Amino acid sequence: SAVISQKPSRDICQRGTSLTIQCQVDSQVTMMFWYRQQPGQSLTLIATANQGSEATYESGFVIDKFPISRPNLTFSTLTVSNMSPEDSSIYLCSVEESRTSATNEKLFFGSGTQLSVL
Amino acid sequence: QKEVEQDPGPLSVPEGAIVSLNCTYSNSAFQYFMWYRQYSRKGPELLMYTYSSGNKEDGRFTAQVDKSSKYISLFIRDSQPSDSATYLCAMKETSGSRLTFGEGTQLTVNP
Repeated sequence: SAVISQKPSRDICQRGTSLTIQCQVDSQVTMMFWYRQQPGQSLTLIATANQGSEATYESGFVIDKFPISRPNLTFSTLTVSNMSPEDSSIYLCSVEESRTSATNEKLFFGSGTQLSVL
Repeated sequence: QKEVEQDPGPLSVPEGAIVSLNCTYSNSAFQYFMWYRQYSRKGPELLMYTYSSGNKEDGRFTAQVDKSSKYISLFIRDSQPSDSATYLCAMKETSGSRLTFGEGTQLTVNP
């Protein structure tokens, strides 16, 4: 499976500031995803980041709040903008590994960024 | 109604016990089923992946899928303290890459 490095691993930020989270993969992947895991809740997909095109956001998430970059096939960033305490969460980068069959994609995760907003 | 329902627990068992973790779902389009294990302060780790009804075994872990009842289970035999983690079920439709996760069940195996 792909090795996914995510940083920072945790951060404590002030209200109104922004934080950029980086995700580096050790192999080229087509699909990269950003998830949020709020305390006591399940993982929620924020957006899908494709190289060479704008990210696709899920309902409830907007580009102004969560701008995403995908400059190449091994790297992506997620920025959490103008943070409030409600943004305190774990943010996870994930990648999809495809096998020869297009229906056998598996999703692997980085170790996550624990964000606390004061 | 949530698409995927999972009892959040917490579940506490003695070492060596058989653990049963379950999820139900309402979306008939889900065809791929996964179980992830997540240790504290870590990202989810893919444990089991299956796409057909029936059982799939991997060491001490067995994933069971019943599409007719929209019910999946993960069984852990001879549970160990190192199995203490949160277990998340996840599901995917045939098309697209979007996973829908359950809330996760927090498991503690006591030595």
